[in-house]
Amino acid sequence: NAGVTQTPKFQVLKTGQSMTLQCAQDMNHEYMSWYRQDPGMGLRLIHYSVGAGITDQGEVPNGYNVSRSTTEDFPLRLLSAAPSQTSVYFCASKRGQGIYEQYFGPGTRLTVT
Amino acid sequence: KNEVEQSPQNLTAQEGEFITINCSYSVGISALHWLQQHPGGGIVSLFMLSSGKKKHGRLIATINIQEKHSSLHITASHPRDSAVYICAVRGRGETSGSRLTFGEGTQLTVNP
Repeated sequence: NAGVTQTPKFQVLKTGQSMTLQCAQDMNHEYMSWYRQDPGMGLRLIHYSVGAGITDQGEVPNGYNVSRSTTEDFPLRLLSAAPSQTSVYFCASKRGQGIYEQYFGPGTRLTVT
Repeated sequence: KNEVEQSPQNLTAQEGEFITINCSYSVGISALHWLQQHPGGGIVSLFMLSSGKKKHGRLIATINIQEKHSSLHITASHPRDSAVYICAVRGRGETSGSRLTFGEGTQLTVNP
């Protein structure tokens, strides 16, 4: 199993550009989520999904969109990038509802100029 | 005050030393996770606890639910243990999503 994969690893955007961060998992996990990690702050939840076709907002959803058309994929869209979205983004998945281990992707380092 | 507080923020040790990282939380929880973030950025799960103590190799994690406190211990530390260690809690009654609340992390450096 590849686990949780993310692309790209690095990205530089100009203010106002849009882009999609890709996330995929091959473990047939129901739950997937996106976090951002900023210096001096813990990981913060952006959006999450409890299964294909079901998504919900996390702690810091503004400026981001998600969809979950398949169990495997959970892309994160930046609609109009802003410098405040400069961060490291992690996708994670877990088996299902209940207390399960979370598996993290390798992260995407995004810089918005 | 953050819901999850870790101490210390930074820790430097000599190889072989016994290390303790602490995590205190202010909410009722159903589980607590300890994660390790490598210098390259990848995050791996070390432990998931809802009570008692777990051991994996040189790593030991304990939790005291009444005191809302958990510790991560590393015995016979090694330079390869250098990483950021992150505590995260899952709130009690959280029945949907992957809602974890994370501490800011403890940067551990083990010198040879």
